[in-house]
Amino acid sequence: GQQLNQSPQSMFIQEGEDVSMNCTSSSIFNTWLWYKQDPGEGPVLLIALYKAGELTSNGRLTAQFGITRKDSFLNISASIPSDVGIYFCAGHRFTSGTYKYIFGTGTRLKVLA
Amino acid sequence: DADVTQTPRNRITKTGKRIMLECSQTKGHDRMYWYRQDPGLGLRLIYYSFDVKDINKGEISDGYSVSRQAQAKFSLSLESAIPNQTALYFCATSVLRGDTQYFGPGTRLTVL
Repeated sequence: GQQLNQSPQSMFIQEGEDVSMNCTSSSIFNTWLWYKQDPGEGPVLLIALYKAGELTSNGRLTAQFGITRKDSFLNISASIPSDVGIYFCAGHRFTSGTYKYIFGTGTRLKVLA
Repeated sequence: DADVTQTPRNRITKTGKRIMLECSQTKGHDRMYWYRQDPGLGLRLIYYSFDVKDINKGEISDGYSVSRQAQAKFSLSLESAIPNQTALYFCATSVLRGDTQYFGPGTRLTVL
């Protein structure tokens, strides 16, 4: 099945640094979403984006829906130890009776105190 | 109490065995989903159900079947388990719009 290309695959950063990750697709989506997964748990929604070009913030997190509708990025500012986890993008569309909810391959973030 | 629960949380089984994973939710959502997660591959959609009478195949449905017993319950079955079905399985729910999904804690399945 289709998967989204997410990069980087993993990151090791110092506490206080900013983080950027992105997600690209060969096809268009109507909604882009970013989830975080902690060890032993299911993914939890961080940000949802509904319009091309939209820029949305949630605390220290900022995400954008690409103009082409084929990409999105997530920034985390001033990272803290609890930001550790795996971040997934997801693209969603439901057109002509076909439902698509596709996840990226994930970015594993480790924060060094 | 968790809104989306999955049982069992861990299961080890042998090749050829039939196994059922169960999902229950108290969120009152109509839509429910089953995903599998493999290292380096993210989550992939197996089946989804928009209501009790509506069940649809996802990206990777071969080797799996589902049953929507009630609005709150959605089960995933492996009729004859094989080793490459070893994975982490997640159930999720959503409201009618279907974009934000709420995930259960997952079931770790190992097929020997």
